[in-house]
Amino acid sequence: RKEVEQDPGPFNVPEGATVAFNCTYSNSASQSFFWYRQDCRKEPKLLMSVYSSGNEDGRFTAQLNRASQYISLLIRDSKLSDSATYLCVVNDYKLSFGAGTTVTVRA
Amino acid sequence: GAVVSQHPSWVICKSGTSVKIECRSLDFQATTMFWYRQFPKQSLMLMATSNEGSKATYEQGVEKDKFLINHASLTLSTLTVTSAHPEDSSFYICSASVAENYEQYFGPGTRLTVT
Repeated sequence: RKEVEQDPGPFNVPEGATVAFNCTYSNSASQSFFWYRQDCRKEPKLLMSVYSSGNEDGRFTAQLNRASQYISLLIRDSKLSDSATYLCVVNDYKLSFGAGTTVTVRA
Repeated sequence: GAVVSQHPSWVICKSGTSVKIECRSLDFQATTMFWYRQFPKQSLMLMATSNEGSKATYEQGVEKDKFLINHASLTLSTLTVTSAHPEDSSFYICSASVAENYEQYFGPGTRLTVT
């Protein structure tokens, strides 16, 4: 079983829509989680950390479900510029990356 | 924010040759640097962790004699792919951190194509 698994998508949504997707992790003792964004042929960039109580950053909401070992990302009011691959990352003294979920926002 | 550069951004080389990739932290001292590899539509895979002045720690399955890592200063780490083969073609990304387990700042990546 992979350490971090994501639905690869793609999720094709119109501008203004809400899109959400999950990521599961295998190590129940994992403590630290992040969402990164990666544009085509570019390096990953930190989008947000994921806190136990859930957290928001503008149009982005991240949640953690320890019992089921998954984290989620929700994007509200999607913009064209949100089109990217979103990487789920678990930090167990090294970063373990999921393969990414591709989101395409269309006009 | 912290800036990490990589050079070259892309390189094409012939099978059997060696390629050196540089990773530099431009505005901070990076005690720890990481090297990742990413194949198309796959996740970033950590290859090795290097601390300045020490030998790199390689992940399981990564050949240390093939992927030579040098972290001689607090702002520079190099990855040398020796005797490159077409299967080494990939996107190589470095990241730098002020210390292990602190936030990593990623370089822009180097796309290697071995013909």
